[in-house]
Amino acid sequence: QKEVEQDPGPLSVPEGAIVSLNCTYSNSAFQYFMWYRQYSRKGPELLMYTYSSGNKEDGRFTAQVDKSSKYISLFIRDSQPSDSATYLCAMSDPQLIQGAQKLVFGQGTRLTINP
Amino acid sequence: GAGVSQSPSNKVTEKGKDVELRCDPISGHTALYWYRQSLGQGLEFLIYFQGNSAPDKSGLPSDRFSAERTGGSVSTLTIQRTQQEDSAVYLCASARRQGGGDTQYFGPGTRLTVL
Repeated sequence: QKEVEQDPGPLSVPEGAIVSLNCTYSNSAFQYFMWYRQYSRKGPELLMYTYSSGNKEDGRFTAQVDKSSKYISLFIRDSQPSDSATYLCAMSDPQLIQGAQKLVFGQGTRLTINP
Repeated sequence: GAGVSQSPSNKVTEKGKDVELRCDPISGHTALYWYRQSLGQGLEFLIYFQGNSAPDKSGLPSDRFSAERTGGSVSTLTIQRTQQEDSAVYLCASARRQGGGDTQYFGPGTRLTVL
């Protein structure tokens, strides 16, 4: 079993829909939780960053972390065609080795927003 | 300012050949990471450099893989005697400082194809 599980999709929704992306994980030591967006043939870019449990909102994006269930979510409101990309969840353990923040990534969910 | 750059963007090689992949991190970033992204897989940590400290090589899949970072800046990932299973996108990321919670900025990646 992988440390981080993410449904690879693909997920296709109409423009304006609310999108929900999720990841589950098994390592209870994870404290930092991130969502990256990756356009085709590009490197991942950080979208949302959360420490420990709770919600965080940034414009149309909301990240939720439920540590008791080892479950994180990313919600996209009023989705736009420009949101079409692969979304990767990532998390890390604050017990650093030589200061490294080694991120453990989910498989990525491929999202398409149809005009 | 300039982001993380990687070269070449694409590399096609024959099985058994050696390849070198280059990463130029963001100026002033002391931490540098290499990841591998295989088809249908999430990003897999390979190696981490922080300043002048010994690198964390715990993610390298075999002794055919090695990396160095010269002058605390440019890094080269070398794969010797390439195999078809080495085909993947190799991503480099840099971060401003060591420690938990720091944002990693990714380059566009090098797409390696081993025939």
